[in-house]
Amino acid sequence: DAMVIQNPRYQVTQFGKPVTLSCSQTLNHNVMYWYQQKSSQAPKLLFHYYDKDFNNEADTPDNFQSRRPNTSFCFLDIRSPGLGDAAMYLCATSRVGAHTSGSNKGPYEQYFGPGTRLTVT
Amino acid sequence: AQTVTQSQPEMSVQEAETVTLSCTYDTSESDYYLFWYKQPPSRQMILVIRQEAYKQQNATENRFSVNFQKAAKSFSLKISDSQLGDAAMYFCAYRTNYGGSQGNLIFGKGTKLSVKP
Repeated sequence: DAMVIQNPRYQVTQFGKPVTLSCSQTLNHNVMYWYQQKSSQAPKLLFHYYDKDFNNEADTPDNFQSRRPNTSFCFLDIRSPGLGDAAMYLCATSRVGAHTSGSNKGPYEQYFGPGTRLTVT
Repeated sequence: AQTVTQSQPEMSVQEAETVTLSCTYDTSESDYYLFWYKQPPSRQMILVIRQEAYKQQNATENRFSVNFQKAAKSFSLKISDSQLGDAAMYFCAYRTNYGGSQGNLIFGKGTKLSVKP
């Protein structure tokens, strides 16, 4: 089945120790998103890739970086995790039309992975 | 900027009964999509139902239906014949249809639904 896969499901890292979370997809979607979700809160968009174009949200800390080496894979790098970065990290994908005027129609719902629960000790 | 408001942090329903979750949104746009996503405990978020703003007919998916009131900017979710498996956090989300959004969703804060046996 086509799907969004996140590895690992649970990750424990030490304060200040870099960590990388992985997302892969078999849906061949052109957009991949990374969200941070803290307990009982809505997902907060960190950034997304539209094909190879990286789009950072204005309030995403510099501590968070992302890489997308190919269509199928996307990585979230946290350079120096702090205690406040402990959260569930969700990857999502979507097939979006060209973002020129008048051609961005369609539901383009997002398909989510199961998430990676990050603990910072 | 668009906003999505879910005014019910928690709701409870008896098994087999009907429950309605509320969602309001604010936008100056006329062309957009609205979604309800379900996030069960420790499980991944899945799409429940979607509604295109230009369609007057309310969307329905089996036991799930919406009441879309465009003028009032309201988008409530009705769950009929509630089942234990419906227990989850439900998020209302908005997506513009105008160029440049790249599919970005604006989420409400969610409503936690409990189902009592």
